[in-house]
Formats: sequence, structure tokens, C-alpha cells
Amino acid sequence: DAKTTQPPSMDCAEGRAANLPCNHSTISGNEYVYWYRQIHSQGPQYIIHGLKNNETNEMASLIITEDRKSSTLILPHATLRDTAVYYCIVRVPEGFYFGTGTSLTVIP
Amino acid sequence: ETGVTQTPRHLVMGMTNKKSLKCEQHLGHNAMYWYKQSAKKPLELMFVYSLEERVENNSVPSRFSPECPNSSHLFLHLHTLQPEDSALYLCASSPGPGSYGYTFGSGTRLTVV
Repeated sequence: DAKTTQPPSMDCAEGRAANLPCNHSTISGNEYVYWYRQIHSQGPQYIIHGLKNNETNEMASLIITEDRKSSTLILPHATLRDTAVYYCIVRVPEGFYFGTGTSLTVIP
Repeated sequence: ETGVTQTPRHLVMGMTNKKSLKCEQHLGHNAMYWYKQSAKKPLELMFVYSLEERVENNSVPSRFSPECPNSSHLFLHLHTLQPEDSALYLCASSPGPGSYGYTFGSGTRLTVV
């Protein structure tokens, strides 16, 4: 079962930062937080992952709270192509269990 | 192209047919996975293979039969499916079954009629 909770949907204006929250209050000390996105029935695409430090790559930034019970994915300048379902996943030993994710719509 | 290739992209089959889905990865990964995604539902983990050994089988009906002949290839054999089995079937691979990210294929859209 998924160990994360996300809002079902969000809107973001094109060019603005999109901040997607995720709660994972039962996360264990050695479990990573991963973010994936899925664009209209394609395979999920890896975005970023982290353990306890904040992470940044060319796609996004990941902010993890000090108690590790929640995190935020930040897309700094959202474009129309960022419209997708975003999944926050706590990686358990047996694999990835996906929740329902957040459907992000970027509005022109 | 992600390095994980699934064929066919689309498949329509009758309830009495037997068909197979194929997944191939050229990433040198040692673990492969099958997921099912039904309409409006989260992805469901079906099978996990690590070094060609099945390590996870999440109560999947026996009409779905996986096969992993080597670390680069994964099959899902289908027989006597039901209309509710219509879904997007996704294959993924990872360097190992531990704390690594997955690379997904584009999926096979299966319709059972």
C-alpha cells in the first residue's frame, strides 16, 4: 500500500513555480522519497529522489522537512508540457507502491 | 526512448485467446517489474524479478503468467482474460531490487473483448 498522501489536483499558471506537497508521516529512517510523473497514459518518468537533504536537478527541486514527514516538489518555471499526474512515492524494499498522485494542470 | 521497450503498444484480444506482452531493457539492470494501471486507478505492482528469480507476486490471478528468461527480457503471458483485465500494462527495470529508481517503458494498452 502507498505510504503517501497527496492532494488530488492542482493548477499552476504557466511560468510560475509549481509546489506539489506530499505527506509521508510513517516513513522509516532509511526509506527514500521518490517523485515520478506520468503524462497521459505514458510510462511514469523519474523526476528526483532524496533521503533527508534537499535535492535539485535540471527538472525540479525536492524539499524534505527535517522530521521527514513531508516533502515538496518544486517545478521552478512550469510549462504546458509539465501538465501530468505527479506521484510521490516512499521506496520500500519490495518496490514502488504508487498512490493516486496529484494531477497538475498548467494553465496558459 | 527510455531504454525499456515494450511490445506491442496496443493489443486487442478475445477472452479465449492466448497472447504475450514483451519487455526488453538495454540498461544492464538486474531487476524487472510488471505493473497494471486500470482506468482512474493507481499503478498496481504485479510481479518483481531480481536476477531472473521471481521475488514478489502480489496475489495476481493465474491467468497472468510472467517469464524472465534473462535479465534483459521479461514476458507476461495472458490466457482466458476477462474484460476487467483491460488496462495499461507497464514494465520497469532497475539496477537492483534495493533502493534504486525505476525506468519505465511506454506500456502496452490491452483491451479484452
